Amino acid sequence: EVQVLESGGGLVQPGGSLRLSCAASGFTFSNYAMSWVRQAPGKGLEWVSSISSSGPYTYYADSVKGRFTISRDNSMNTLDLQMNSLRAEDTAVYYCTLINYGAFDYWGQGTLVTVSS
Amino acid sequence: EIVLTQSPGTLSLSPGERATLSCRASQSVSSNYLAWYQHKPGQAPRLLIYGASSRATGIPDRFTGSGSGTDFTLTISRLEPEDFAVYYCQQYGGSPRTFGQGTKVEIK
Repeated sequence: EVQVLESGGGLVQPGGSLRLSCAASGFTFSNYAMSWVRQAPGKGLEWVSSISSSGPYTYYADSVKGRFTISRDNSMNTLDLQMNSLRAEDTAVYYCTLINYGAFDYWGQGTLVTVSS
Repeated sequence: EIVLTQSPGTLSLSPGERATLSCRASQSVSSNYLAWYQHKPGQAPRLLIYGASSRATGIPDRFTGSGSGTDFTLTISRLEPEDFAVYYCQQYGGSPRTFGQGTKVEIK
């Protein structure tokens, strides 16, 4: 059974940093590109970042470019999102998802990030 | 950036009824790379349709995706109690990947 489990969310002050992790199981992790998608309170879904299956190619939404860094460890089946210079508008539930057929297939339950003083 | 506009914002229907959800793109979606997702509060979103009309693994055949170019439709032939949720369309033919604002299907 495919499973992705996010962790690392919490409360952080504006300007602070947080690192999210996603543990994957039930599929050959190294064969799939992965992404982070977020949902701000009361809002819709927003793509944040993606990384290719072997890791050299990364992509970011303009809203996070230069502040967030996506990475993966195919030996540990983990996906990370390092978030720096956090802003109030980064407050959201962050979902880890694998890309299959080009779409976001299999999502985790999400981890809540709250940026507030 | 491709902007996706979903309509209606809310659909009030009874179980057993047919639901028709629309997604219109600001420009043609390359190769009909359009997906539909179901999202219930507190749960993980679920992929329903990819490539505009292909059902994802385990998705019942009451869910049908159609359309091409700039106009896409998700049809739920007969609503089951578990189908009441928010539905999003999303395009992956252009960069950045973008979502529509969602259509809420609620019980009438």
